[in-house]
Amino acid sequence: QVQLQESGPGLVKPSQTLSLTCTVSGVSISSGGYYWSWIRQHPGKGLEWIGDIHNSGKTYQNPPLKSRIIISVDTSKNQFSLKLSSVTSADTAVYYCARVRGYCDTSSCYGFFYSWGQGTLVTVSS
Amino acid sequence: EIVMTQSPAALSVSPGERATLSCRASQSVSSNLAWYQQKPGQAPRLLIYGASTRATGIPARFSGSGSGTEFTLTISSLQSEDFAVYYCHQYDNWPSTFGQGTKVEIK
Repeated sequence: QVQLQESGPGLVKPSQTLSLTCTVSGVSISSGGYYWSWIRQHPGKGLEWIGDIHNSGKTYQNPPLKSRIIISVDTSKNQFSLKLSSVTSADTAVYYCARVRGYCDTSSCYGFFYSWGQGTLVTVSS
Repeated sequence: EIVMTQSPAALSVSPGERATLSCRASQSVSSNLAWYQQKPGQAPRLLIYGASTRATGIPARFSGSGSGTEFTLTISSLQSEDFAVYYCHQYDNWPSTFGQGTKVEIK
């Protein structure tokens, strides 16, 4: 059974960098037919896609967030990570990692969120 | 980007009754449409993909239909565990986008 688990600080100060890791178990992060994603949900609000990473290491970011995002993968640890820089209170949200069934081409990824982590609340506050 | 609009925002239904949720895309997304269920304090769960294919382990009372710009999620006979928020999600165009959700409440 595939499981995903987010980890990282629950509190980040404004202007600092939010760093989260998603640990994947039950499947190799390098397996084909899937890629990996970060999604967030502001308190009481809907879902917002943040970005994707293919097992090739190629990344894709939501344009409004692109300049602040770094997504990386560590295949030796079966993990992928999110760094979001220059955070403000608007970045306070529950952050989810997900396994995506789909494909990626040179510029975009297309797929649905097949499995989700339980989510982790990150609060931006001084 | 494609805007996904769900209606109604909230739906009050009695257990055992049918619930019909709608999702409209601002332009065609073919059949590249998924539905997710989210209960309070939990992550979303995939229900339907490809507009009408149930995900593994999803009961037959959940069904999806539609293509292009108009989609429907039907819950044929609501069970107590079905009261939740439901989101549609298009993955035909990049970036993928979600609807704002429909909350299914107990009547």
